[in-house]
Amino acid sequence: QSALTQPASVSGSPGQSIAISCTGTSSDVGGYDYVSWYQQYPGKAPKLMIYDVSSRPSGVSNRFSGSKSGNTASLTISGLQAEDEADYYCISYTSTSTPVFGGGTKLTVL
Amino acid sequence: QVQLQQSGPGLVKPSETLSLTCTVSGGSVSSEHDYWSWIRQSPGKGLEWIGHIYDSGNTNYNPSLKSRVTISRDTSKNQFSLKLTSVTAADTAVYYCASPRASRFDSWGQGTLVTVPS
Repeated sequence: QSALTQPASVSGSPGQSIAISCTGTSSDVGGYDYVSWYQQYPGKAPKLMIYDVSSRPSGVSNRFSGSKSGNTASLTISGLQAEDEADYYCISYTSTSTPVFGGGTKLTVL
Repeated sequence: QVQLQQSGPGLVKPSETLSLTCTVSGGSVSSEHDYWSWIRQSPGKGLEWIGHIYDSGNTNYNPSLKSRVTISRDTSKNQFSLKLTSVTAADTAVYYCASPRASRFDSWGQGTLVTVPS
């Protein structure tokens, strides 16, 4: 199973909106509504931010939203804040009943 | 929410077996709906799925590690474990246990840095 494709880095200024893409195939992202997104700070465990493409766990800011079109899922962060600077990973369910991970995106808040 | 507590050595010699355990609270490793996973992250790199155990003890493994990995569970202790044989320096990573779905991880262990000296 090939890894999902994410941009290595994205950046934005405080208050702006940014989007991080996650591209797969019809056997993973495009075939199931089971894409999740994670935020990871250095030295910390990842934290679930979005699941099932666009659902937000309790306690996650509504500035975080998810969507999907075809084989590409996206995480959008609106009203960018300094605390959003972190690494972000997407994960999708696949046709082999196993997960496939994205390579990660480093978000820099300018 | 399920809490996961990892235990195991942080240093493993080359060619030996890496063994880690994850103790579950607030959930059950016997649950037929939950998946209990191991994930690792090499220094400065992305996340890599190792495998999971689910249902009545079924397992799935990353094909790239399958020949060396065993994930098992102890229902009496509500724990699940990872064994990775014949380790090399390339297996140096932070290892995480996670749950509860095949591709959705609400709960994570604290992470264990396992170093295999070269």
